[in-house]
Amino acid sequence: QIQLVQSGPELKKPGESVKISCKASGYTFTDYAMHWVKQAPGKGLKWMGWINTYTGKPTYADDFKGRFVFSLEASASTANLQISNLKNEDTATYFCVRFNSGYVMDAWGQGGSVTVSS
Amino acid sequence: DIQMTQSPASLSASLGETVSIECLASEGISNDLAWYQQKSGKSPQLLIYAASRLQDGVPSRFSGSGSGTRYSLKISGMQPEDEADYFCQQSYKYPLTFGSGTKLEIK
Repeated sequence: QIQLVQSGPELKKPGESVKISCKASGYTFTDYAMHWVKQAPGKGLKWMGWINTYTGKPTYADDFKGRFVFSLEASASTANLQISNLKNEDTATYFCVRFNSGYVMDAWGQGGSVTVSS
Repeated sequence: DIQMTQSPASLSASLGETVSIECLASEGISNDLAWYQQKSGKSPQLLIYAASRLQDGVPSRFSGSGSGTRYSLKISGMQPEDEADYFCQQSYKYPLTFGSGTKLEIK
């Protein structure tokens, strides 16, 4: 079955960096784009952007340009999200999401939690 | 950006009751609308796509309808396991945008 398994919770200080991984299984990794969605505590869902898993080209939403980097380890069917120069407002759960050919988010990771606190 | 206005923000329903949640897009989205259910502490799960198509494995008490700018999710016969947050999302145009969510509780 299709699974997206994300890395565990992270506690970081402001200014540090964090990397969240998302390992896919149960399908051909390069056949589907991978999107990223942020959910701050008690808040709604915000689309961050996506990465073409065939070419490796990332596309970022305006609010996530600069400190956020999407990358791949295609041989390991893994997508990564790296956030640098962490700020308190980056405290959130970050979901990787498979995007199918019908333009639908049809499979979600369990979420990678990041807490930024001094 | 396309704004998705979702209502109500919260809703309380009795078991067996039929409930509806609405999303209004700031421009036409040509049925490129999905609904997700998120239970407490879990990741969202796809319920409905293309405005009215039921995702495999989703109970038939869930249904979606709408066109143009107005869309709705209906739950026909509230069950205990339906207590959750619900979000709409448009994929007609980038950036993809979500509604602000509806918290559905059992009365």
